[in-house]
Amino acid sequence: GENVEQHPSTLSVQEGDSAVIKCTYSDSASNYFPWYKQELGKRPQLIIDIRSNVGEKKDQRIAVTLNKTAKHFSLHITETQPEDSAVYFCAASIRGYSTLTFGKGTMLLVSP
Amino acid sequence: GAVVSQHPSWVICKSGTSVKIECRSLDFQATTMFWYRQFPKQSLMLMATSNEGSKATYEQGVEKDKFLINHASLTLSTLTVTSAHPEDSSFYICSARDEAGHGNSPLHFGNGTRLTVT
Repeated sequence: GENVEQHPSTLSVQEGDSAVIKCTYSDSASNYFPWYKQELGKRPQLIIDIRSNVGEKKDQRIAVTLNKTAKHFSLHITETQPEDSAVYFCAASIRGYSTLTFGKGTMLLVSP
Repeated sequence: GAVVSQHPSWVICKSGTSVKIECRSLDFQATTMFWYRQFPKQSLMLMATSNEGSKATYEQGVEKDKFLINHASLTLSTLTVTSAHPEDSSFYICSARDEAGHGNSPLHFGNGTRLTVT
């Protein structure tokens, strides 16, 4: 089955800095890659996603890049703010948009 | 946007009892719903895929007789943890996709149920 590796497990940055989280996947058939933000005790919230026919997608301070050849994708957050502090999960899907395999998560801490 | 409601948000039960968790799609229909489990500081692990009108599909290592899933309608799936034990204590989250989007809708999560078995 699909295997998703996520790094780093924790990331501390100063407010205003950029943060980058990287994920790799094993199954070349994966075609959908969402990123979720989860605050403590709450549900994961979709923040951005990308499909395999697109190399990059941006939404304000958040961007995701995808390298199909290398089978890795990354989340980029610019001008980080304390409210960006949360656990971020990457995921990959090999069956449409339904069944997702998640990475282990990255705890992002943005210090003011 | 699509909303998935999960109830209860938390439950404490005694060892040996059963607990039922409900997952509802509030403004869309879902023939398929997904149940995840998340242990503290860990990732979401898919437990099973709930299929409306048919048997659920369980992931390897998940006991189907312990985690009973019923998907009786297009908007409701239930997960029953039978004969719960302390090691079943976890955060259980359901998810579903608005299938009217024809494959273009993202997966939406319920707000989760924190189960504590004493």
